[in-house]
Amino acid sequence: EPEVTQTPSHQVTQMGQEVILRCVPISNHLYFYWYRQILGQKVEFLVSFYNNEISEKSEIFDDQFSVERPDGSNFTLKIRSTKLEDSAMYFCASSAPELPGAFFGQGTRLTVV
Amino acid sequence: AQSVAQPEDQVNVAEGNPLTVKCTYSVSGNPYLFWYVQYPNRGLQFLLKYITGDNLVKGSYGFEAEFNKSQTSFHLKKPSALVSDSALYFCAVRDMGGGSQGNLIFGKGTKLSVKP
Repeated sequence: EPEVTQTPSHQVTQMGQEVILRCVPISNHLYFYWYRQILGQKVEFLVSFYNNEISEKSEIFDDQFSVERPDGSNFTLKIRSTKLEDSAMYFCASSAPELPGAFFGQGTRLTVV
Repeated sequence: AQSVAQPEDQVNVAEGNPLTVKCTYSVSGNPYLFWYVQYPNRGLQFLLKYITGDNLVKGSYGFEAEFNKSQTSFHLKKPSALVSDSALYFCAVRDMGGGSQGNLIFGKGTKLSVKP
């Protein structure tokens, strides 16, 4: 069964450093998303991406965040200068036009120290 | 604005008993509704969805959910709970805005604990 894969599973970084979280969406999907879940809190939408551009973003997705689809398979989330409050589980998701539900990856746990 | 409410932080049931995890929603148009499950240290797994059609939707692992438009609810149910069902359950509604598929708005989650 096809699945969304995310790497790494756990990333520890120092405050102020840049991190790149990587995702490989399901191959025939066209819509890509990043969500995050701070420990003990609800899952929050960050950004959606379609046709090589951001289609929507939340208030959380400020200038320190960026997304990219550098090739035909990867979808990345970059955090330019990490803050302690960026520590969270980050989920990548993808969906197909004919299927309104999104499929989620296993998540990357980001710890900023 | 679209929103999802899961009124219970935790639901406790005995193995073999029926379980219900509650969800209510608020959307401006017709809702697309979803349930996801999160096991410890794992990602979100899709359980089931309601788009249109029958109000009773069947999903993975024997779960089902009933869409009730008048009560704006989409409660998750299972006739006989298993200890392995213990996990965090999230209800989500699709945000109808934007040109994309629409972004999912999640409830806060309900922790289900099934005791032997």
